[in-house]
Amino acid sequence: AQRVTQPEKLLSVFKGAPVELKCNYSYSGSPELFWYVQYSRQRLQLLLRHISRESIKGFTADLNKGETSFHLKKPFAQEEDSAMYYCALKGLGNEKLTFGTGTRLTIIP
Amino acid sequence: DVKVTQSSRYLVKRTGEKVFLECVQDMDHENMFWYRQDPGLGLRLIYFSYDVKMKEKGDIPEGYSVSREKKERFSLILESASTNQTSMYLCASSPTGGKQPQHFGDGTRLSIL
Repeated sequence: AQRVTQPEKLLSVFKGAPVELKCNYSYSGSPELFWYVQYSRQRLQLLLRHISRESIKGFTADLNKGETSFHLKKPFAQEEDSAMYYCALKGLGNEKLTFGTGTRLTIIP
Repeated sequence: DVKVTQSSRYLVKRTGEKVFLECVQDMDHENMFWYRQDPGLGLRLIYFSYDVKMKEKGDIPEGYSVSREKKERFSLILESASTNQTSMYLCASSPTGGKQPQHFGDGTRLSIL
């Protein structure tokens, strides 16, 4: 069975401070990990995925297989980062995504 | 750009009614999905389909059914709506194979009175 845990339901960070949204997963094989974001009144959209190893809007996430984690990080928070963030996992050969319960990030001006 | 369109943004129905939620995608994707999104619970998969007329149960299929008669359209059906089905419903699509992400619609906020 595959499982994704986001331990923080709410996270408030001051503008300019570093941000880290935690994501841990449980999966027996090699997973694909994603971060999705939902801004206010907008559709859920892909932020980044681990295979791309890219930085999107200043966010990065590294897959740590030893700790089974895929934490999302940004060195300097901006007000427009306020949103709902979901971590998601796709198993090998499986088209289904398993989502975490989400973290609502609020950037304090 | 992938477009996933859900027929209604807001819908209000009564207990016991049969409710249809429609989703259309324009990118010829094989896979389509229905989720419900509830605060504190995240997104939970109701049903998905990997081809026309094919369907598989997700994590919470009870009280729901689906229909996929055409590749671009995936319908979610609440056979007899109940108040605990009040929720935000999200449709998504993705191509098969590779490492492609799912693309989501705007969602339908369904209220069952």
